[in-house]
Amino acid sequence: DGGITQSPKYLFRKEGQNVTLSCEQNLNHDAMYWYRQDPGQGLRLIYYSQIVNDFQKGDIAEGYSVSREKKESFPLTVTSAQKNPTAFYLCASTRRGLKETQYFGPGTRLLVL
Amino acid sequence: QKEVEQNSGPLSVPEGAIASLNCTYSDRGSQSFFWYRQYSGKSPELIMSIYSNGDKEDGRFTAQLNKASQYVSLLIRDSQPSDSATYLCAVLDTGGFKTIFGAGTRLFVKA
Repeated sequence: DGGITQSPKYLFRKEGQNVTLSCEQNLNHDAMYWYRQDPGQGLRLIYYSQIVNDFQKGDIAEGYSVSREKKESFPLTVTSAQKNPTAFYLCASTRRGLKETQYFGPGTRLLVL
Repeated sequence: QKEVEQNSGPLSVPEGAIASLNCTYSDRGSQSFFWYRQYSGKSPELIMSIYSNGDKEDGRFTAQLNKASQYVSLLIRDSQPSDSATYLCAVLDTGGFKTIFGAGTRLFVKA
């Protein structure tokens, strides 16, 4: 089955710790995205990548980092500089094109201990 | 800052009624518009896309687009309790790389 997988489903972070969220897709999509969703809020773009080895900051990139070494993978690291990381993190992918829709993974819920 | 605005609700309708959800956007050059449904604790799933002015129907769902007024709407006919969810309006920006999401409208369908 084609799709997007995210792991883990729940992640607990201690203060001062960096944590990495995994996102993998087997849809052969070129573009991948990371969003953050807070309760009662819409999705805010953290980072996005149109092609391998290239990525751009979204609207709320501070305290986060990404890499895109393979087409299938786009991991997100939440660094200790992100002071309020508790949120629902969603990874998405799409083929390139103005009418292409985004497909979402199941999400990772990050909680701070 | 490009924006997508939605009434946060909650919108409550009886089973079998028509639910009407509305959205306005600020980027006049946008060409692609989407409605996603999101159940509590789950990721969004696409239910409708629309690119041209007018109406687009798919089963019980109708999307309406008016680019001159920068307005998108979603009608759900014969609403069912299973339609109870948050509906996110999304607009692809002029550059074609970034999708901007509204905060969503919570819909409750009462049995």
